[in-house]
Amino acid sequence: DTAVSQTPKYLVTQMGNDKSIKCEQNLGHDTMYWYKQDSKKFLKIMFSYNNKELIINETVPNRFSPKSPDKAHLNLHINSLELGDSAVYFCASSPFDNEQFFGPGTRLTVL
Amino acid sequence: AQKITQTQPGMFVQEKEAVTLDCTYDTSDQSYGLFWYKQPSSGEMIFLIYQGSYDEQNATEGRYSLNFQKARKSANLVISASQLGDSAMYFCAMRESGGSNYKLTFGKGTLLTVNP
Repeated sequence: DTAVSQTPKYLVTQMGNDKSIKCEQNLGHDTMYWYKQDSKKFLKIMFSYNNKELIINETVPNRFSPKSPDKAHLNLHINSLELGDSAVYFCASSPFDNEQFFGPGTRLTVL
Repeated sequence: AQKITQTQPGMFVQEKEAVTLDCTYDTSDQSYGLFWYKQPSSGEMIFLIYQGSYDEQNATEGRYSLNFQKARKSANLVISASQLGDSAMYFCAMRESGGSNYKLTFGKGTLLTVNP
């Protein structure tokens, strides 16, 4: 029944490792997003895909690479993790230009 | 310049009273949308209410209403009859037009505490 799901919910890893976060939506939406929420709760768009095509890439280090195998999935792969990557990462989806539905978030802690 | 400004880092309200959370925005687009989201301490982002720039009437959803003043570029959230469960972080966000660019730009949020 979950509309937008993310795995894992928590991710603790060492600096320098590579990790992935998966996102799936069962709402039939065309557009999916990745947002980063920092320790001060500020939310910022990272990427957006529309029908598997990248449409937004907001000055994110190229260590971050999104991949959309199909319209329902948008994964985020992060190479060479740094301390500053610690944050909560939210996936979201939306139909056309309406409200965005957010996943539960993935709390990433880099040690 | 910030596109979304929420000037109240924290707000307190007594249970059953109404509270207004401020939001001003900056855009040169004619077509845009304004959203409010709630983030409780559990962390999820919950959509509350939406106002389109061309909507003549203020949006309402249950106890939530959006006081939209276009000329002042403000989109304040009004919560009536506050409940303890309303204690949360509240974010104002804007979606500007521009092809398929549907990203939301968020304000820094207001932490609302409802006192019993």
